[in-house]
Amino acid sequence: GQQVMQIPQYQHVQEGEDFTTYCNSSTTLSNIQWYKQRPGGHPVFLIQLVKSGEVKKQKRLTFQFGEAKKNSSLHITATQTTDVGTYFCAGGIYNQGGKLIFGQGTELSVKP
Amino acid sequence: GAVVSQHPSWVICKSGTSVKIECRSLDFQATTMFWYRQFPKQSLMLMATSNEGSKATYEQGVEKDKFLINHASLTLSTLTVTSAHPEDSSFYICSAKRARYNEKLFFGSGTQLSVL
Repeated sequence: GQQVMQIPQYQHVQEGEDFTTYCNSSTTLSNIQWYKQRPGGHPVFLIQLVKSGEVKKQKRLTFQFGEAKKNSSLHITATQTTDVGTYFCAGGIYNQGGKLIFGQGTELSVKP
Repeated sequence: GAVVSQHPSWVICKSGTSVKIECRSLDFQATTMFWYRQFPKQSLMLMATSNEGSKATYEQGVEKDKFLINHASLTLSTLTVTSAHPEDSSFYICSAKRARYNEKLFFGSGTQLSVL
């Protein structure tokens, strides 16, 4: 079946270091979305990428969507303790009415 | 912003009983709602897709008779875990898709179910 693989599963960084998480799909995606889930909380939408090769920035966060629309990455520059949480990518499947397949998530911990 | 309310947040029940979880879109109409299950430190597993006024579409391996989904209105979907067993203990979370919002999902706060 359709899968979205996300790595790494865990990342521990020192505050100020950069962080990147990667997603790879077995099939071409209609779009890729990124969500952040804080410990004990629910996923919160960060961004959606739709176009091949698209790059979007939100302050220290940079999101990329691959040319083939099968992979994506989230890069955080100079992490802060407020960045702690689990980051999920979610791939949209064509003609599936908005259904998303979630990656396994990357849990980020930031040491002050 | 769009708000999705999910109740209850926590529920503890005895084995064999049924539990109903509600998911409401408070300030928008949700044409589609999704139900996920999440185990600790794991990803969200899509259980079913719920469209208003029609039967839910279940993912492979999800028992439709065990997890009853009703989407009676554009603002309410319910998930009923029937004859719950300890292995059904999990975090259940709903999300809603708002029309013309490019498939972006708005999530409820989730329900932690513990079956004794």
